[in-house]
Amino acid sequence: DAKTTQPPSMDCAEGRAANLPCNHSTISGNEYVYWYRQIHSQGPQYIIHGLKNNETNEMASLIITEDRKSSTLILPHATLRDTAVYYCIVTPGGSYIPTFGRGTSLIVHP
Amino acid sequence: SAVISQKPSRDICQRGTSLTIQCQVDSQVTMMFWYRQQPGQSLTLIATANQGSEATYESGFVIDKFPISRPNLTFSTLTVSNMSPEDSSIYLCSVEDPFFSYNEQFFGPGTRLTVL
Repeated sequence: DAKTTQPPSMDCAEGRAANLPCNHSTISGNEYVYWYRQIHSQGPQYIIHGLKNNETNEMASLIITEDRKSSTLILPHATLRDTAVYYCIVTPGGSYIPTFGRGTSLIVHP
Repeated sequence: SAVISQKPSRDICQRGTSLTIQCQVDSQVTMMFWYRQQPGQSLTLIATANQGSEATYESGFVIDKFPISRPNLTFSTLTVSNMSPEDSSIYLCSVEDPFFSYNEQFFGPGTRLTVL
């Protein structure tokens, strides 16, 4: 799996957009970008994934640069319940097992 | 998505004893995994639980310490054997099945283990 780099922590005001960056400069052509989050004392939760096109679902948007060397997870209107550790994982499609790094600890404040 | 439950949710155990953690899924799934999350750390994969055959362990984890069973497609157990305080962690099971979606993993709520 390609290595990812994320800032260790970020904060965001409630109601504002939270933009979480991830660098994956060694990504291969067949590797997808997955995002999970882990709210305190819970198991990780899948958020979104993409290959090269931008993706959006009910939880978030994923913006992948044209060269695919970095991506940004966007929570459009962050709430206090979005406070969690966010993991960016790069791995091939098909049967895979995600390797979790340290992630970004996002704190949403009132 | 799959609904996953784990038992127990937490336990406090004495050094030298063993604890078996159960993972139950509400539907049949192809792949089940066991992770460990030590205090303040990220998740580390222990093993893949294979239905009808021996589990596949990651480097640094052995069957004698972490025996795993998977008798069917909805259930698995992980035993933490001969525990020491270093085994104090959250243990999580997860599942993956292409029937649900494209390779996302779904995680159980975790078992918080404290070894005294």
